[in-house]
Amino acid sequence: NAGVMQNPRHLVRRRGQEARLRCSPMKGHSHVYWYRQLPEEGLKFMVYLQKENIIDESGMPKERFSAEFPKEGPSILRIQQVVRGDSAAYFCASSTTSGYNEQFFGPGTRLTVL
Amino acid sequence: KQEVTQIPAALSVPEGENLVLNCSFTDSAIYNLQWFRQDPGKGLTSLLLIQSSQREQTSGRLNASLDKSSGRSTLYIAASQPGDSATYLCAVDTGANSKLTFGKGITLSVRP
Repeated sequence: NAGVMQNPRHLVRRRGQEARLRCSPMKGHSHVYWYRQLPEEGLKFMVYLQKENIIDESGMPKERFSAEFPKEGPSILRIQQVVRGDSAAYFCASSTTSGYNEQFFGPGTRLTVL
Repeated sequence: KQEVTQIPAALSVPEGENLVLNCSFTDSAIYNLQWFRQDPGKGLTSLLLIQSSQREQTSGRLNASLDKSSGRSTLYIAASQPGDSATYLCAVDTGANSKLTFGKGITLSVRP
């Protein structure tokens, strides 16, 4: 059973470009979480999704950031018009259900904005 | 608002020493607590998960305890090895859509 997969592992963008980060949850997992780790800071929750639904996006910046988890295919975290402050490691986690269950993390995507 | 604190931020010990990593949280209404390991530039590896009804969990040389009433958890590492060098993160699930709240981690260095 493959673990949580994220791609790309490293992504370089220039200011103003778009960044698309992909996450494939573990087989059988229908709950996906995105977290961001800024330099010198802890991991912060961004968004929680189930198939075709955004359940909690309380940690998402109000502008430029969006996330989806379509019926088919991976979850996508999209950042429009990136700025240098978006440079961070973005981690995806998945679980079988919410509450009481372990979250399994992917290797992360390291975004660098030039 | 839940806050998770891990002190100290860094720790250096000689190989073979038994050590305790501390984690404290402000809101005792948690569903579970997880300890993770993160190697430089890598993802998170789950070490132990303690449900709110449990007092401790063990895996090999690792033992994690949970005291909900006092808002504390400890990760005990027995007979430390250089390969244990990493950052150890504590995270609590307060059940509000299962979003984890993380501490900033303790960077452990085990000297040969």
